[in-house]
Amino acid sequence: QQQVKQSPQSLIVQKGGISIINCAYENTAFDYFPWYQQFPGKGPALLIAIRPDVSEKKEGRFTISFNKSAKQFSLHIMDSQPGDSATYFCAATNSGGSNYKLTFGKGTLLTVNP
Amino acid sequence: NAGVTQTPKFQVLKTGQSMTLQCAQDMNHEYMSWYRQDPGMGLRLIHYSVGAGITDQGEVPNGYNVSRSTTEDFPLRLLSAAPSQTSVYFCASSYVVGAGYGYTFGSGTRLTVV
Repeated sequence: QQQVKQSPQSLIVQKGGISIINCAYENTAFDYFPWYQQFPGKGPALLIAIRPDVSEKKEGRFTISFNKSAKQFSLHIMDSQPGDSATYFCAATNSGGSNYKLTFGKGTLLTVNP
Repeated sequence: NAGVTQTPKFQVLKTGQSMTLQCAQDMNHEYMSWYRQDPGMGLRLIHYSVGAGITDQGEVPNGYNVSRSTTEDFPLRLLSAAPSQTSVYFCASSYVVGAGYGYTFGSGTRLTVV
């Protein structure tokens, strides 16, 4: 059972455009939603994260939008750059739970063309 | 530099051989985990540990063993390698208190079983 569904699998955007990646979750106990960025040959690295007490969080060109009632959250990359080309993973966890596990989406391969 | 160190970076095994993937962190993180990453499958949890002497199974534990004798180290053992275990393996760590405040991933071990 996949608890975090991520779409699209791949995304091609022109330089300067907006990249949007969507995720949906099932477990209402999830209360922490991070996004990870992974470059080829490297491990994933934390990009930005949100808790459900806010509907939006922005850090530079990266914004998370969160819709608690729909159990959905999304990553928006404004003014996308070729250097943003990477695989992006959304994730979710119950931070008050006893196992501290992160459940990951299957990833989105983003390509930003120059 | 502080972080998660994985060794080796690359390994080729023959079917039936055993080996240990090493993972060490110097951030005094209580939580450590092993993931495997396969194309189109995202990151799947193999085993995890919330402290020295405590381990538990994740989503895909079969064929793998772990132990946690110290806070710093969390080795992953393949008992009898199979081609299905060809994958990229990532070790990750985080604090338990305030869990979900971001995993730190190692750079991965690319394993090929022939």
